Amino acid sequence: SAVISQKPSRDICQRGTSLTIQCQVDSQVTMMFWYRQQPGQSLTLIATANQGSEATYESGFVIDKFPISRPNLTFSTLTVSNMSPEDSSIYLCSVDYTRGDLNTEAFFGQGTRLTVV
Amino acid sequence: AQKVTQAQTEISVVEKEDVTLDCVYETRDTTYYLFWYKQPPSGELVFLIRRNSFDEQNEISGRYSWNFQKSTSSFNFTITASQVVDSAVYFCALSEAGFGNEKLTFGTGTRLTIIP
Repeated sequence: SAVISQKPSRDICQRGTSLTIQCQVDSQVTMMFWYRQQPGQSLTLIATANQGSEATYESGFVIDKFPISRPNLTFSTLTVSNMSPEDSSIYLCSVDYTRGDLNTEAFFGQGTRLTVV
Repeated sequence: AQKVTQAQTEISVVEKEDVTLDCVYETRDTTYYLFWYKQPPSGELVFLIRRNSFDEQNEISGRYSWNFQKSTSSFNFTITASQVVDSAVYFCALSEAGFGNEKLTFGTGTRLTIIP
């Protein structure tokens, strides 16, 4: 399996500021995904982070608000910009990991619990 | 568009009872993947199972079992002899993509509480 490390695990931020969340994987992976889980809600995909190209955003999410970097096959960052209390959520990184038997699985980091005050 | 419905918002059972969590999905693809994840109070997502659309065999793993029925577009999850440690939110998810892309659509989750 893939081991995913997300930093920070939690943070409390002032409105109007930005926070960058890091996702580090212990092996090279093709696809990395960023999800948001608002309080008491399900997970919603924000974007797919592709190495060497711009991220692909889902409907309702834009690059100016959630810029993403993917400098190599083991690392990605998600920035939550100009934060408001509505951005208070858990943000999760997920990777598309191909096992030795060529089956792929989706593994998740432990999440970043963000509170905006 | 794909959709996952978990109609049960919350379930409470007494320890050692069996419990089934329902999942119904919608997709236009013939190739897709279904998942179950567990999210304990600590917040991390724990992978439980991944099943592709061509494999309708039921699966059992210890106290966990899954019933996949394409005819009713359902992928239900049963916990036998429930334990307090099973208390968590359980998510069913669907991926329409093929090899190498696990972009997931999640259901709204079922909060399971096991009463000691």
